[in-house]
Amino acid sequence: DSGVTQTPKHLITATGQRVTLRCSPRSGDLSVYWYQQSLDQGLQFLIQYYNGEERAKGNILERFSAQQFPDLHSELNLSSLELGDSALYFCASSSSRTAPTDTQYFGPGTRLTVL
Amino acid sequence: EDQVTQSPEALRLQEGESSSLNCSYTVSGLRGLFWYRQDPGKGPEFLFTLYSAGEEKEKERLKATLTKKESFLHITAPKPEDSATYLCAVLTQGGSEKLVFGKGMKLTVNP
Repeated sequence: DSGVTQTPKHLITATGQRVTLRCSPRSGDLSVYWYQQSLDQGLQFLIQYYNGEERAKGNILERFSAQQFPDLHSELNLSSLELGDSALYFCASSSSRTAPTDTQYFGPGTRLTVL
Repeated sequence: EDQVTQSPEALRLQEGESSSLNCSYTVSGLRGLFWYRQDPGKGPEFLFTLYSAGEEKEKERLKATLTKKESFLHITAPKPEDSATYLCAVLTQGGSEKLVFGKGMKLTVNP
């Protein structure tokens, strides 16, 4: 158990809908990262937050957004969903703003299925 | 563009048959190289971090090494429970703290 929790575990929805994925980092970790994993693309970095502020952006679509709250949990919002958004979404956390001393610990993921 | 390539894509071994997995990378600057293990439907589980060429880390039957262009994950006398997908990722210099992952290597160890 990495100490990172994600809810829900599974999510099934229809095209055009909006969903919210939630992540709680390990106790004491200030950084939260979101990744998307699809069968053909592997793990793709989406976005990072550090202590409530956006720190780095990756291949995140404009239809997707995220935020980190004062209690350090984070939410990833996916809107106008398309079939191609079906994937595993992982959250990871690390203890400080700077690397390379940090290791990212991953949650169990949310499996999103868009029908 | 930063790239991480893992080979082979899949590997089948007999229990006890040692082998090595390769991770080659082309990045603007390496801050760290990470190895993860991922079981089906689960999140990646951290194994090792390597920071500089020549560094080695060991854990049970696994040993990771790093050169300036690649990393190897050596598996000695594997057991069926070592079956998983092994992911290599690099953390690059330049401000962004994103991990760039390879596509993974699926290892199957037969009893």
